[in-house]
Amino acid sequence: EPEVTQTPSHQVTQMGQEVILRCVPISNHLYFYWYRQILGQKVEFLVSFYNNEISEKSEIFDDQFSVERPDGSNFTLKIRSTKLEDSAMYFCATGLAGSLEQYFGPGTRLTVT
Amino acid sequence: AQSVTQPDIHITVSEGASLELRCNYSYGATPYLFWYVQSPGQGLQLLLKYFSGDTLVQGIKGFEAEFKRSQSSFNLRKPSVHWSDAAEYFCAVVASGSYIPTFGRGTSLIVHP
Repeated sequence: EPEVTQTPSHQVTQMGQEVILRCVPISNHLYFYWYRQILGQKVEFLVSFYNNEISEKSEIFDDQFSVERPDGSNFTLKIRSTKLEDSAMYFCATGLAGSLEQYFGPGTRLTVT
Repeated sequence: AQSVTQPDIHITVSEGASLELRCNYSYGATPYLFWYVQSPGQGLQLLLKYFSGDTLVQGIKGFEAEFKRSQSSFNLRKPSVHWSDAAEYFCAVVASGSYIPTFGRGTSLIVHP
């Protein structure tokens, strides 16, 4: 069964450094999402992406964050200058056009020290 | 404001016992309702969903959930829990006209042999 994959599974970085989290969507999915879950808290929506542009973003998704599909397959989340409070599990999700169902990857645990 | 509440942070049951995980939501109209499960090291997997129609929905792995409009609830049930059901369970709600889910905090299910 096709699945969403994410790399790396765990990333440790120092405050102020840039990180790129990668996601490989299911091949025929057209909608892409990033979520985060701070330890012990809810899963929160960050951004949705369709047709090579952001379709919706939350207030969490500020200028420090960006997303792109650099090669038509990978879907990346970049944090330009990480802060301690960016430490969280980041989930990628993808979905078909017209469907409310989203398929989640296993997540990347980001630890900012 | 829209919200999803999972009042139980942890639930412990014995293997073979029945299970009910609670989910309440606060929305102006009937939203779309989902339950996801997250096993350790895995992404969120969709267990079941309710969009309309029969208020008792069947999902994968023997789970079911019942939508009760009068109580704004969508509780997840399983008649006989297996040790492999130990995981984190998330209720999620998508408001009508949206496609972005709002997640509950999650309930951690512990299964004793």
